[in-house]
Amino acid sequence: KQEVTQIPAALSVPEGENLVLNCSFTDSAIYNLQWFRQDPGKGLTSLLLIQSSQREQTSGRLNASLDKSSGRSTLYIAASQPGDSATYLCAPTSGTYKYIFGTGTRLKVLA
Amino acid sequence: DTGVSQDPRHKITKRGQNVTFRCDPISEHNRLYWYRQTLGQGPEFLTYFQNEAQLEKSRLLSDRFSAERPKGSFSTLEIQRTEQGDSAMYLCASSQPWDTQYFGPGTRLTVL
Repeated sequence: KQEVTQIPAALSVPEGENLVLNCSFTDSAIYNLQWFRQDPGKGLTSLLLIQSSQREQTSGRLNASLDKSSGRSTLYIAASQPGDSATYLCAPTSGTYKYIFGTGTRLKVLA
Repeated sequence: DTGVSQDPRHKITKRGQNVTFRCDPISEHNRLYWYRQTLGQGPEFLTYFQNEAQLEKSRLLSDRFSAERPKGSFSTLEIQRTEQGDSAMYLCASSQPWDTQYFGPGTRLTVL
């Protein structure tokens, strides 16, 4: 059974800092892994999708890496902004392609 | 393409009542997923449809829960005899096969 852990659970940083969010998963037989953002009381917004054959994906200030064999992914956010404040969720997929989510990292970027 | 929509956005009900939620997926997506999310937790998978066929159900989906997707278009999730433990955000997502899932805004259920 796939289990996903995200560290840290919460993070508060001043604006402009670069930061790294960590995700680990127990079953390395995944098709891909996706990072999402969730604002309070809202649905999920897709950020980056990394296929199992890829090592990393980039979108703007975001960079996600995947080390499938060790069951780890990281989300790097450059030059953080107050608008980046949200909960960040990682979700590997396998089997019928359902997402298995971690509990997320709650990020607060202070102006 | 207007994205995934869910209705209602909020539902308050008394314990023991039945509730039904609707999800309208992105029109060309043949896969539809339901998830449940409680406060401080990540979403948990409930069930999944490919077209009108319900292909997988989580053990979280007790016999009080039923989901349908008639004609492979919109989907409904019904909860019978609601309990306070059913209070959660119910999220719907749709996708093409093996592609990114796009999530709706969710339906927040409060059972009093």
